[in-house]
Amino acid sequence: GQQLNQSPQSMFIQEGEDVSMNCTSSSIFNTWLWYKQDPGEGPVLLIALYKAGELTSNGRLTAQFGITRKDSFLNISASIPSDVGIYFCAGQLPLSGAGSYQLTFGKGTKLSVIP
Amino acid sequence: NAGVTQTPKFRILKIGQSMTLQCTQDMNHNYMYWYRQDPGMGLKLIYYSVGAGITDKGEVPNGYNVSRSTTEDFPLRLELAAPSQTSVYFCASSYRSGGELFFGEGSRLTVL
Repeated sequence: GQQLNQSPQSMFIQEGEDVSMNCTSSSIFNTWLWYKQDPGEGPVLLIALYKAGELTSNGRLTAQFGITRKDSFLNISASIPSDVGIYFCAGQLPLSGAGSYQLTFGKGTKLSVIP
Repeated sequence: NAGVTQTPKFRILKIGQSMTLQCTQDMNHNYMYWYRQDPGMGLKLIYYSVGAGITDKGEVPNGYNVSRSTTEDFPLRLELAAPSQTSVYFCASSYRSGGELFFGEGSRLTVL
């Protein structure tokens, strides 16, 4: 199956700093998604990207769909303590013969924010 | 405002025991999914369903079974629990194919 390489695995940053994380793949995806998982909770969608080259913002978050369709990055500006959590990238492709899509998830970036 | 509800939240099983993880959603979503999350490994798709009466295998289906008799419910069955099935299990649903996934809070299962 498809593999996503997400980096970094973990980050410790000072409150107010900017954060950048990315995902790369050897496969082409037609959609890139970024999810955040708070401790003890399920992942929640942050940003969805549908076109190569697309740059989308959601408040302090900005994400881009790479031109090659094999990568994506997520930036968080001016980090705050509630940004703590695990961030997952996910690439989406159709599932064969089912009319549904499968998400391939990266292994996650664990973000810690030091007040 | 329930969304996707999973039960139980925590469970300890002995090797060879069986159990069912329950999942129900009140958003009238056709698409439902079961994922497992292992530390540092992201989420892996176990089974999915595109509507009542239709289920299919995902990436890691061995040792699990599912059914989808109603739109709302998508239970996951473990027949002979093994230590390799120790994980956190997430149920999710979506309104349309390729749409946003809404996740439950997860069920932490330990097999000893």
